[in-house]
Amino acid sequence: NAGVTQTPKFQVLKTGQSMTLQCAQDMNHNSMYWYRQDPGMGLRLIYYSASEGTTDKGEVPNGYNVSRLNKREFSLRLESAAPSQTSVYFCASGNGVRSYNEQFFGPGTRLTVL
Amino acid sequence: GESVGLHLPTLSVQEGDNSIINCAYSNSASDYFIWYKQESGKGPQFIIDIRSNMDKRQGQRVTVLLNKTVKHLSLQIAATQPGDSAVYFCAENPRGGATNKLIFGTGTLLAVQP
Repeated sequence: NAGVTQTPKFQVLKTGQSMTLQCAQDMNHNSMYWYRQDPGMGLRLIYYSASEGTTDKGEVPNGYNVSRLNKREFSLRLESAAPSQTSVYFCASGNGVRSYNEQFFGPGTRLTVL
Repeated sequence: GESVGLHLPTLSVQEGDNSIINCAYSNSASDYFIWYKQESGKGPQFIIDIRSNMDKRQGQRVTVLLNKTVKHLSLQIAATQPGDSAVYFCAENPRGGATNKLIFGTGTLLAVQP
């Protein structure tokens, strides 16, 4: 099993450009998450999807949109990138049916907005 | 402990010593806690978890202690090895909700000196 995969690994954008970060998991998990991690800080939740067909805002949703394409895939879109969105983005998945479950993380996408 | 701004608290230990990493969590209603390890350039990796109805849990070379009275969590690593060098995050899951939403601390950098 590949676990959680993310593409691309690195990306440089200019201010105002748009892009979509892709995430897929092969663990048959119900829940998927997008986080951002800024230097010297913990992970902050952007959006999550408790199950296929549902999405909800997390702590820092402004400037982002998400799509839960199917049970495996959860994408994050930046419609008009800003320098403040320079960060490392992590996708995670977990079995959200029960409360007591870890989340499994992908390797991250390092995004720089100039 | 918790960090402010860009500076992670750092714990420097000698190889073979025991390490204790501390975390103060914020929500007295949280009922599930996880420790993650993040190596440079990688996504967070699960180490150990504990539910709020426990005050101690042991894994391989690691022990997590939970003190709900003062909202404090600690991770003890026995016989610390160079491969343990990483940033360690605690995360809490506030009680309730249909999905496993985690709130992450800002992390502690563990530096193991050979």
